[in-house]
Amino acid sequence: DAGVIQSPRHEVTEMGQEVTLRCKPISGHDYLFWYRQTMMRGLELLIYFNNNVPIDDSGMPEDRFSAKMPNASFSTLKIQPSEPRDSAVYFCASKAGGSYNEQFFGPGTRLTVL
Amino acid sequence: QKEVEQNSGPLSVPEGAIASLNCTYSDRGSQSFFWYRQYSGKSPELIMFIYSNGDKEDGRFTAQLNKASQYVSLLIRDSQPSDSATYLCAVNIGTTGSYQLTFGKGTKLSVIP
Repeated sequence: DAGVIQSPRHEVTEMGQEVTLRCKPISGHDYLFWYRQTMMRGLELLIYFNNNVPIDDSGMPEDRFSAKMPNASFSTLKIQPSEPRDSAVYFCASKAGGSYNEQFFGPGTRLTVL
Repeated sequence: QKEVEQNSGPLSVPEGAIASLNCTYSDRGSQSFFWYRQYSGKSPELIMFIYSNGDKEDGRFTAQLNKASQYVSLLIRDSQPSDSATYLCAVNIGTTGSYQLTFGKGTKLSVIP
């Protein structure tokens, strides 16, 4: 079975540009999570969805960040406008329904904002 | 601020030895605990989870949980060079029904051949 799929794997952009990161969760998983990883702050949860509905977005750093999940097999994380401090690796993870919280991560998108 | 603390390392052990990785957490209400392995430049990979006090074994890995002491550990027996990676402790922090994971910053393990 395919795991979590993310695109692009690498993104280099200039400050002020819009960036869109994409994620396809594991088929049948009801939950989707967006994380950001930096050396300074480690791995941080940004937002998560259940059945395409945002449940907890308290980790979204500011209004420049937005996330959507239009259907069960696709989610986007958008940064507009991007800033150099947004440079990080962004991971998407998914988990099946039920009470257990085993989350499975995608390969990540390495974002560099110049 | 609900926190998860790990010694950043690096922790160096000789091949064949037992590696012991430790994690403490601040939220006494936490119910589930996870260990992820992350190779350099790769994504976190779930290797163990534990929900109840005591030990849980899976092959060469043993997770230990002590909720009274707010402490969770991972033991790796017969360490191999391929175990060299950063190990992330994650705790399910939040209200019942929340699936928010809080991660420690990880312990870097180096297994010396």
